[in-house]
Amino acid sequence: NAGVTQTPKFRVLKTGQSMTLLCAQDMNHEYMYWYRQDPGMGLRLIHYSVGEGTTAKGEVPDGYNVSRLKKQNFLLGLESAAPSQTSVYFCASSYPTGVNTEAFFGQGTRLTVV
Amino acid sequence: KQEVTQIPAALSVPEGENLVLNCSFTDSAIYNLQWFRQDPGKGLTSLLLIQSSQREQTSGRLNASLDKSSGRSTLYIAASQPGDSATYLCAVSPILTGGGNKLTFGTGTQLKVEL
Repeated sequence: NAGVTQTPKFRVLKTGQSMTLLCAQDMNHEYMYWYRQDPGMGLRLIHYSVGEGTTAKGEVPDGYNVSRLKKQNFLLGLESAAPSQTSVYFCASSYPTGVNTEAFFGQGTRLTVV
Repeated sequence: KQEVTQIPAALSVPEGENLVLNCSFTDSAIYNLQWFRQDPGKGLTSLLLIQSSQREQTSGRLNASLDKSSGRSTLYIAASQPGDSATYLCAVSPILTGGGNKLTFGTGTQLKVEL
């Protein structure tokens, strides 16, 4: 009963390096999301997807790219990491409509850019 | 733009006390409201989800209420225990327009239940 799984859990990057964060869900959810959590600012939406092959921008999309090639996976990419992208990243998934639109979250990826 | 506020930012209570956490939001056009718990260094655990047509939801010692017209929700925790110590987050999603069940979060209430 894995739910939402994020890899890696921790990562340290140098400024300018690139990386990809992987999110996998086994609940057959249509919707998937990437959030970042910073002290004093709460969680903010980076990008989201309403289905396989679709992506859209959230509140803070600059510096990130995403892809949803398979329904169960949602990838978040940083092409050229900056210290301002030091944060904890959370992936979430949910059904689109109906009674049960509860969002389920992964355990987070703590990223430090030096 | 939707804004979500949680008061107080931190709360310390003795074990056994009943307590109320508050959440307010500026735009009443919401689809649902969800309460989460976050332990230090961990992910978010969903506690309760209230649809916009509902007034409250209960799970064990937790009861969440929603007053959409006034833009308020409360999370009531009965007979608090040290294991309830965590940060509690409130989040709302907009009325669905095919654009995803996107959540807007408050900054949370950090709860400490002392022996």
